[in-house]
Amino acid sequence: EPEVTQTPSHQVTQMGQEVILRCVPISNHLYFYWYRQILGQKVEFLVSFYNNEISEKSEIFDDQFSVERPDGSNFTLKIRSTKLEDSAMYFCASSEPPRADTQYFGPGTRLTVL
Amino acid sequence: DAKTTQPTSMDCAEGRAANLPCNHSTISGNEYVYWYRQIHSQGPQYIIHGLKNNETNEMASLIITEDRKSSTLILPHATLRDTAVYYCIVSPSHNTDKLIFGTGTRLQVFP
Repeated sequence: EPEVTQTPSHQVTQMGQEVILRCVPISNHLYFYWYRQILGQKVEFLVSFYNNEISEKSEIFDDQFSVERPDGSNFTLKIRSTKLEDSAMYFCASSEPPRADTQYFGPGTRLTVL
Repeated sequence: DAKTTQPTSMDCAEGRAANLPCNHSTISGNEYVYWYRQIHSQGPQYIIHGLKNNETNEMASLIITEDRKSSTLILPHATLRDTAVYYCIVSPSHNTDKLIFGTGTRLQVFP
């Protein structure tokens, strides 16, 4: 069964460093998402992406964050200058037309900012 | 903010049916009810969704009341692997964007 994959599974970085989290969505899906979950807290929406542009973003998704679909398979989340409070699990998700609201999630990347 | 209310936790014996309630009294006519679950910090997993009719798939059944203000997710024969946090989410059918997760119900299946 097709699944969303994410790499790396765990990323440790120093505060102020840039990180890129990578996702490979399910191949025929056209809608892509990033969510995050701080330890012990709710899953929070960050951004959605469709047709090579952001369709919606949350207040969390400030200028430090960016997303890109550099080729036909990868979908990346970049954090330009990490902060301690960026430590969280980051989940990528994808969905297919016409039902964009049934989203399939990857296993997550645990980001630890020291 | 999440527009649903769920109990914080529930227990269920293995092999028995798990019935997870959800209140969504402010649901709009175009909003679907979705259920996802999250097993121990893994990515959320889609379970089932419905508009007003009851739905069943290989994972679960979804019972929606006639006034659509509440629903129940039923796992007919719970196993230990069903131990997870279960999220009830309402979302417009045309929505291409965010799922808003609440705190969900932590279901513990015991032997």
